[in-house]
Amino acid sequence: DMQLTQSPSTLSASVGDRVTITCRASQSVNNWVAWYQQKPGKAPKVLISAASNLESGVPSRFSGSGSGTEFTLTISSLQADDFATYYCQQYNSYSWTFGQGTKVEIK
Amino acid sequence: EVHLVESGGGLVQPGGSRRLSCVASGFTFSSYEMNWVRQAPGKGLEWVSNITTSGSVTNYADAVKGRFTISRDNAKNSLYLQMTSLTVEDTAVYYCARGGDCRNGECRNTAYFHHWGQGTVVIVSS
Repeated sequence: DMQLTQSPSTLSASVGDRVTITCRASQSVNNWVAWYQQKPGKAPKVLISAASNLESGVPSRFSGSGSGTEFTLTISSLQADDFATYYCQQYNSYSWTFGQGTKVEIK
Repeated sequence: EVHLVESGGGLVQPGGSRRLSCVASGFTFSSYEMNWVRQAPGKGLEWVSNITTSGSVTNYADAVKGRFTISRDNAKNSLYLQMTSLTVEDTAVYYCARGGDCRNGECRNTAYFHHWGQGTVVIVSS
């Protein structure tokens, strides 16, 4: 079974910091990888699809990259609104898998 | 604007059953694949089930296969999840999420969940 492992699990950062979250797959995946942001009590929101495609309306400080088994989400300059939990997700043949999440906390 | 509204959650005893519903609006429901995704308290997201536009094909996570049944009624713009043999591990917020866009015959964006409902809480406890 596909496993996605995110690192770190928790990240403490300050406004203005550059933040990188990594998602590693247990086997090579196609580029059907997405990143979601979730705030407490809310549904997730897709930020990035196809590994690097910025979704409409998502600030340009968010970017995604990667291929094969390693993918990254980068926030170039962390803003107050970005403190949340982030999940990677991959798709293959009508099966979807999420990473365990990375909580971005205020330092 | 896309709206997905789940209902049907509540407290269920272990071994019991529950049926969740999701009513869709703001888009042509019958042209989109649909999914259920859940989140246990304090835990991450877990995909549960998927259904194609006509309902003819369904897919399930191993954790729920044989116990949960996804279905849809395109005339009512509604998605359902029948859950049986519930265990405490099924306690979660259950979200309905829109899947692939099949308006032009071939489905696009099957891989991602662009729209989610607000979720309905299922608690399995004695």
